[in-house]
Amino acid sequence: EAGVAQSPRYKIIEKRQSVAFWCNPISGHATLYWYQQILGQGPKLLIQFQNNGVVDDSQLPKDRFSAERLKGVDSTLKIQPAKLEDSAVYLCASSQNGQRSYEQYFGPGTRLTVT
Amino acid sequence: AQSVSQHNHHVILSEAASLELGCNYSYGGTVNLFWYVQYPGQHLQLLLKYFSGDPLVKGIKGFEAEFIKSKFSFNLRKPSVQWSDTAEYFCALNNAGNMLTFGGGTRLMVKP
Repeated sequence: EAGVAQSPRYKIIEKRQSVAFWCNPISGHATLYWYQQILGQGPKLLIQFQNNGVVDDSQLPKDRFSAERLKGVDSTLKIQPAKLEDSAVYLCASSQNGQRSYEQYFGPGTRLTVT
Repeated sequence: AQSVSQHNHHVILSEAASLELGCNYSYGGTVNLFWYVQYPGQHLQLLLKYFSGDPLVKGIKGFEAEFIKSKFSFNLRKPSVQWSDTAEYFCALNNAGNMLTFGGGTRLMVKP
């Protein structure tokens, strides 16, 4: 079974530029999550989708971050404009559904450096 | 609000030494608790989980964890570590909506 795919793996941009990350979850997984992992910290949930609807985006900085999952499969996370403090690894995860008993599977992450 | 604390940020052990990594949580409801591991250059992967029942949970690669409700703790243990256990370990809990809250992580280095 193929795992969660993410691209790009690395991205370097200047502050105030925009950037987008892509995630393809495990086939058949209805729930998709985006996490931000700042160096030296644990991952922090940004947004959770159930199919193509948002379940929780309470920790997403909506003035600059946006995410969509239009067809209930792939998802993109965008930052516009980027700030220095957005430098982090952005992790995508998926699970069969949003019930707490279902394991989340993580992708390799996208490492973003903002200069 | 829920939170997870991991007391040790860096641990260095020699091979065959015993391991115990601390994890404490704060959450007002029923908890599901997890330990995730990230080996160098690899994805986060699940090591073990506690949902209910026996508070002593066994996971992959000889790891185990004990849920102590009275202490709000879920410490990870392994009787004898190997060089291949060098990794970063994260404790986490999830709420009813399956949102994971992670601790800050513990970097373990095992010297051969």
